[in-house]
Amino acid sequence: EPEVTQTPSHQVTQMGQEVILRCVPISNHLYFYWYRQILGQKVEFLVSFYNNEISEKSEIFDDQFSVERPDGSNFTLKIRSTKLEDSAMYFCASTTGQGAREEETQYFGPGTRLLVL
Amino acid sequence: AQSVTQLGSHVSVSEGALVLLRCNYSSSVPPYLFWYVQYPNQGLQLLLKYTSAATLVKGINGFEAEFKKSETSFHLTKPSAHMSDAAEYFCAVSKGDSSYKLIFGSGTRLLVRP
Repeated sequence: EPEVTQTPSHQVTQMGQEVILRCVPISNHLYFYWYRQILGQKVEFLVSFYNNEISEKSEIFDDQFSVERPDGSNFTLKIRSTKLEDSAMYFCASTTGQGAREEETQYFGPGTRLLVL
Repeated sequence: AQSVTQLGSHVSVSEGALVLLRCNYSSSVPPYLFWYVQYPNQGLQLLLKYTSAATLVKGINGFEAEFKKSETSFHLTKPSAHMSDAAEYFCAVSKGDSSYKLIFGSGTRLLVRP
């Protein structure tokens, strides 16, 4: 069964460093999302992406964050200058874009646990 | 604005007992509701979803949920808990705007005692 994959599974970085989190969505999916979950807190929406542009972003997704689909298969989240509070589990998700969008199942990857020291 | 509240951050049941995980929603439009499960060190897996076709929704692994508009609830149940059900469960509502992002509850960790 097709699945969303994410790399790396764990990333440790120093405050101020840039990190890139990678996701490979399911191959025929058209809509892509990043969510994050700070330890002990809710899963929060960061950004959605369709047709090579951001369709919505949350207030969390400030100028330090960017997303890209560089090669038609990968979907990346970049944090330019990490802060301590960026430590979280980051989930990628994708949907087909077929049918009624609000009913669609979002398929999630296993997550990347980011620790900023 | 849509929101979801999950009552009880931890629920503990004995193996074989009924599982009941509570979710209440707030929505100004007909909601689309989801239950996801997260096993340790894994991603979020869809258990079931409500999309207005039927108020009682059956999902994977014997779970089901009933949409009750009058109570603004979408509680998750399973008649008989199994040790393998131990996980974190998230209720979510789809925000039907341009992004269709999911808004999650805070999660309920289910513990199953032998």
